[in-house]
Amino acid sequence: KQEVTQIPAALSVPEGENLVLNCSFTDSAIYNLQWFRQDPGKGLTSLLLIQSSQREQTSGRLNASLDKSSGRSTLYIAASQPGDSATYLCAVRRNYGGSQGNLIFGKGTKLSVKP
Amino acid sequence: SQTIHQWPATLVQPVGSPLSLECTVEGTSNPNLYWYRQAAGRGLQLLFYSVGIGQISSEVPQNLSASRPQDRQFILSSKKLLLSDSGFYLCAWTLSGTGSFSGNTIYFGEGSWLTVV
Repeated sequence: KQEVTQIPAALSVPEGENLVLNCSFTDSAIYNLQWFRQDPGKGLTSLLLIQSSQREQTSGRLNASLDKSSGRSTLYIAASQPGDSATYLCAVRRNYGGSQGNLIFGKGTKLSVKP
Repeated sequence: SQTIHQWPATLVQPVGSPLSLECTVEGTSNPNLYWYRQAAGRGLQLLFYSVGIGQISSEVPQNLSASRPQDRQFILSSKKLLLSDSGFYLCAWTLSGTGSFSGNTIYFGEGSWLTVV
């Protein structure tokens, strides 16, 4: 059974700091991995999607890496800003049939960037 | 561009009352549609998904049901709500894929807060 774990559960950093959020998964047979951002009381916004054949994806100040063999992904945020404060979730998509490639989510890391 | 709408945004319902949450997608055809629930401290859980009109698959046994009366409309319902149905419900869509699943990016609605009292 696939399990996704995100550490730490919460993180508080001063503005301008570079930071890394971690995501680990127990079954390396994944199709892809996605990172999402969720603002309080809101839906999820997709940030980056990494296919299983890829090692990393970049978008602006965000860089996500994937090491499928070790079951790990990291989300790197450069020069953090107060507007980055949100909960960040990672999710892996299974690569076998059944429930349309169900996404398995971690519980998220709640990030607070202090001005 | 594609958009997803979900309503109502918040709902307070007594135990035993019915429920209807509605979700519509615009700007795409034949999307895969999903209902997720996010309970405090438990992460997101897939409740239902649909690959076409009238086609509903349930992931977990529960007090809820889903229907897809039109291509871009997905409805989450209950005949009698339980306290345990409280949570944050999210509708989502992906492009339909080939084979048995879609590897495309998933897009979420803004969510519906349900409090059962």
